[in-house]
Amino acid sequence: NAGVTQTPKFQVLKTGQSMTLQCAQDMNHEYMSWYRQDPGMGLRLIHYSVGAGITDQGEVPNGYNVSRSTTEDFPLRLLSAAPSQTSVYFCASSYSPGTGGFEQYFGPGTRLTVT
Amino acid sequence: AQSVAQPEDQVNVAEGNPLTVKCTYSVSGNPYLFWYVQYPNRGLQFLLKYITGDNLVKGSYGFEAEFNKSQTSFHLKKPSALVSDSALYFCAVRDVITGGGNKLTFGTGTQLKVEL
Repeated sequence: NAGVTQTPKFQVLKTGQSMTLQCAQDMNHEYMSWYRQDPGMGLRLIHYSVGAGITDQGEVPNGYNVSRSTTEDFPLRLLSAAPSQTSVYFCASSYSPGTGGFEQYFGPGTRLTVT
Repeated sequence: AQSVAQPEDQVNVAEGNPLTVKCTYSVSGNPYLFWYVQYPNRGLQFLLKYITGDNLVKGSYGFEAEFNKSQTSFHLKKPSALVSDSALYFCAVRDVITGGGNKLTFGTGTQLKVEL
């Protein structure tokens, strides 16, 4: 199993550009989430999904879109990049309650810089 | 709302000594509690969890944590620290009732430095 994979590992964008961060998992997990990590702030939830076709907003959703067309993939789209979106982005997945152990498995992260 | 506090930005300990990384939480219902570790330029790795049952939970790499409901705490401990334990540690909580979608709230992290 590859676990949770994320691409790209690094990205530099100019203000106003758009891009998609890719996330895939091969563990057949129902739940998937996107977090951003900023110094001194821990990880904050951006969007999450409880299954294919179902997504919802987390704590800091503004400026980001997600979709979940398959169980495996959960891409995060930046619509118009801003310097405030400079961060490290982590994708995570887990089983749904009742089918697994609740713990989330994290990808290696994407380091994004917006200039 | 659910929240987590890690009161120490950094903890320094000598190798071989016991270590404690503190975590307190706030939820409206019962908590699910987790500890994760992050090594430089890596993703988070799961260490241990409290869901229900015994208040003392054991996890990976010799770590353990004690759930204390009256003090709303979930401190991470290890009897004998290793230099290789040096990393960033995150406590996280999910409210059983309101944390649908497995929504976790993370603390701000505690940098553990173990010195020879």
